[in-house]
Order: sequence, then structure tokens, then C-alpha cells
Amino acid sequence: EAGVAQSPRYKIIEKRQSVAFWCNPISGHATLYWYQQILGQGPKLLIQFQNNGVVDDSQLPKDRFSAERLKGVDSTLKIQPAKLEDSAVYLCASSSGYSGNTIYFGEGSWLTVV
Amino acid sequence: AQSVAQPEDQVNVAEGNPLTVKCTYSVSGNPYLFWYVQYPNRGLQFLLKYITGDNLVKGSYGFEAEFNKSQTSFHLKKPSALVSDSALYFCAVRMDTGRRALTFGSGTRLQVQP
Repeated sequence: EAGVAQSPRYKIIEKRQSVAFWCNPISGHATLYWYQQILGQGPKLLIQFQNNGVVDDSQLPKDRFSAERLKGVDSTLKIQPAKLEDSAVYLCASSSGYSGNTIYFGEGSWLTVV
Repeated sequence: AQSVAQPEDQVNVAEGNPLTVKCTYSVSGNPYLFWYVQYPNRGLQFLLKYITGDNLVKGSYGFEAEFNKSQTSFHLKKPSALVSDSALYFCAVRMDTGRRALTFGSGTRLQVQP
């Protein structure tokens, strides 16, 4: 079974530029998550989708971050304009509906803002 | 609200010795508890989870964890550590109802010395 796919793996941009990350979840997984992991910290939820609807985006900095999940499959996370403090790993994860099910993570997209 | 505490930033253990990585949690309902491991420049890999039933849960790579409801703990253990176990370990919790995203602890770095 294929895992969660993310791209690009690494990105370096200057502050005030924009960047987009793409995620393809495990086939059949209705729930998709984007987490931000800053160096030395645990992952923090940015947004959770159920199919193509948003379940929780309370911690998403909406003035600069946006995310969409068209057709309930792939998802894109965008940052515009980027700040230095956005340097982090952006982890995409997916799971099936039941809350006891395991959440599977991709390899992450590593962002450095200079 | 739900939260996780990992009181140790780093745990050092000699190869062949038993290891314990500590985790305590706080949720207002019944918890589902998870352990993940992260190797350098990689995403999170699932190790094990507690949903219900036996308090001792066995997972991948010889790891196990014990759920203790009275102490609200879910410590990760392994009888005999390997150098290859050196990595960053995250404990996570989600409630059995409502919001289904994982909340992570800050992580514990495990160093196994040869």
C-alpha cells in the first residue's frame, strides 16, 4: 500500500515570497491533516479536512496560510507571504474515519525562509 | 482540551539495557494514545497505540507501552535497547469523540550508546 506522498521535500525561499506544498493521502482515507513542526518542537495541527470540507482550522494563520482539498483527495498548503518564523517541516497525514484508527504521516516538506 | 507532556528532553541508555520514555496526558474524555518515532530528516512513523482493552500494548521493533489511567500515563518501554533505536520519540493523544486530530508532546530524544 502506498503511503502519504508529499512534494517538494525541500524548499528554500526568501521572506515575503510564496510557497506551495502538495499532498496525496493514502487511497481511501477521508481525513487529511496538515501539521507544522518547528525544530525542537512537537507537530502542531494547522488544518484538518474531512473529504473536501474543513473540520478544524483554528490554528491556521489565515492571513498568510491557506489550504484546499479539491475533490476530497489531494491537498495543497500555501504560504504567502512567508516569514522567517515559518521555517519548519510541514507534515501531511491521513486516516480513515474512525478516531481509533492510526494517522499515517508523509516524509514532510522542509521549508527554510531566509 | 487535550494535552501531552513528555518531561524528559533526552534519555540516554546503554545498548542492551532497558529503556523507558515517559508520557503523561490530559483529556476530558476517554483517550486514544499513540507513540511515533522520527528519524533524522524523516516523517513520523507509527509505533503503537492504545484504544481499549489490555493496558499493555505491543508495537513495532520490540517496543511496548503501558496505559495507566489512574496516573494518566502512557510510558514507552523496550526490554533491550539497540543503537538503531536512537531517534526522536513523540507521544500523542486524541479523544474518542469529537475533534479527531492528534495532539503531540514536545518529543524526547533517545540516545543509545554502544
